[in-house]
Amino acid sequence: SYELTQPPSVSVSPGQTARITCSGDALPKQYAYWYQQKPGQAPVLVIYKDSERPSGIPERFSGSSSGTTVTLTISGVQAEDEADYYCQSADSSGTHYVFGTGTKVTVL
Amino acid sequence: QVQLQESGPGLVKPSGTLSLTCAVSGGSISSSNWWSWVRQPPGKGLEWIGEIYHSGSTNYNPSLKSRVTISVDKSKNQFSLKLSSVTAADTAVYYCARIEGETDAFDIWGQGTMVTVSS
Repeated sequence: SYELTQPPSVSVSPGQTARITCSGDALPKQYAYWYQQKPGQAPVLVIYKDSERPSGIPERFSGSSSGTTVTLTISGVQAEDEADYYCQSADSSGTHYVFGTGTKVTVL
Repeated sequence: QVQLQESGPGLVKPSGTLSLTCAVSGGSISSSNWWSWVRQPPGKGLEWIGEIYHSGSTNYNPSLKSRVTISVDKSKNQFSLKLSSVTAADTAVYYCARIEGETDAFDIWGQGTMVTVSS
């Protein structure tokens, strides 16, 4: 089955930049999406279609794509950004969705 | 403002059928969006279960397809999940979510409901 691979954890100091990668063979063909999930809460969409930001999401969240890897960048990390982050995309057929393995972002 | 609310039993016996409903408020289930179920076992990641359109068209996760049925009730503005032959591995928080028609993003989520499979 299709998989999206993320690093288990990323640690960053306040004000610095956090970069979270997501790798998958179908990413050159399918858009990627990113979700933030805080403990006990439902996921929240922070990036759609590789690099678009929904209204209400701070500008410090950005997304990019290059080949089989997509990246979520959080610039000027704040304590409130500490959370789990999941990428999401579709398989090559486009009919089945997949979530990444998840990355825990720790703000030191 | 569309909102989603899951409901259903919090405890299901092994080999039984898990049944959940997601009520859609603030908008019509017959809009140009798909409606989906996602689950998250305790301490683990998100897993897509499947999706349905108001016409009744469905797509399922291949790993669950043999046990999953998602249906829609337009008269009640809700959709439902049935997962059969459950085991402890199906213990999870179950979320319903909207897949927005233009962006294909899971843009609105319910709060989630915990379902435990145990005798």
